[in-house]
Amino acid sequence: AQSVTQLDSQVPVFEEAPVELRCNYSSSVSVYLFWYVQYPNQGLQLLLKYLSGSTLVKSINGFEAEFNKSQTSFHLRKPSVHISDTAEYFCAVTYSGGYQKVTFGTGTKLQVIP
Amino acid sequence: NAGVTQTPKFQVLKTGQSMTLQCAQDMNHNSMYWYRQDPGMGLRLIYYSASEGTTDKGEVPNGYNVSRLNKREFSLRLESAAPSQTSVYFCASSADRGGQTQYFGPGTRLLVL
Repeated sequence: AQSVTQLDSQVPVFEEAPVELRCNYSSSVSVYLFWYVQYPNQGLQLLLKYLSGSTLVKSINGFEAEFNKSQTSFHLRKPSVHISDTAEYFCAVTYSGGYQKVTFGTGTKLQVIP
Repeated sequence: NAGVTQTPKFQVLKTGQSMTLQCAQDMNHNSMYWYRQDPGMGLRLIYYSASEGTTDKGEVPNGYNVSRLNKREFSLRLESAAPSQTSVYFCASSADRGGQTQYFGPGTRLLVL
């Protein structure tokens, strides 16, 4: 079965500093990978996703993630965070091809410190 | 477009009571999902519906039932609520296959006493 590991439950970082949120997945077949963001008291919304092609994918608000097949990782990075990035971030995986359920990680709370 | 809507937003139940959580989407999506979110456990899939007329168990289906009433609506029923079902419940929908983005509702916060 597919699984996702987010080792860091909380990541505090100063405003304008860089951040990396780690995500590792287990799968023996091709996968689709996602990062979702959840702001306080809201549902999740898609931040970015990797389906195929370029291994580096970017969001409209400055986040990026790189698919690394050999390391089975899909880490999320941002070179300079803002207060408004304070939220919980979830990595998710599903098998490519055919209908498959999405498996979510346990989430990483990003706390941006002014 | 309202996207995915959920009712109610909050609910307090006593152990043994029943209730139905309602979910509707206006994006003409085929697939719909029910998740529960608990601290430190992320989102866990309760049930999903790949298309109108079909439903399947997810990771944590015990104590729940679902109905895919039509393409728009997917309800979750707790027949006899237990304190362990205290959680935040999210409904989501997606266009079709696994690579599609899931769109989430705002959630229902349920407390079972």
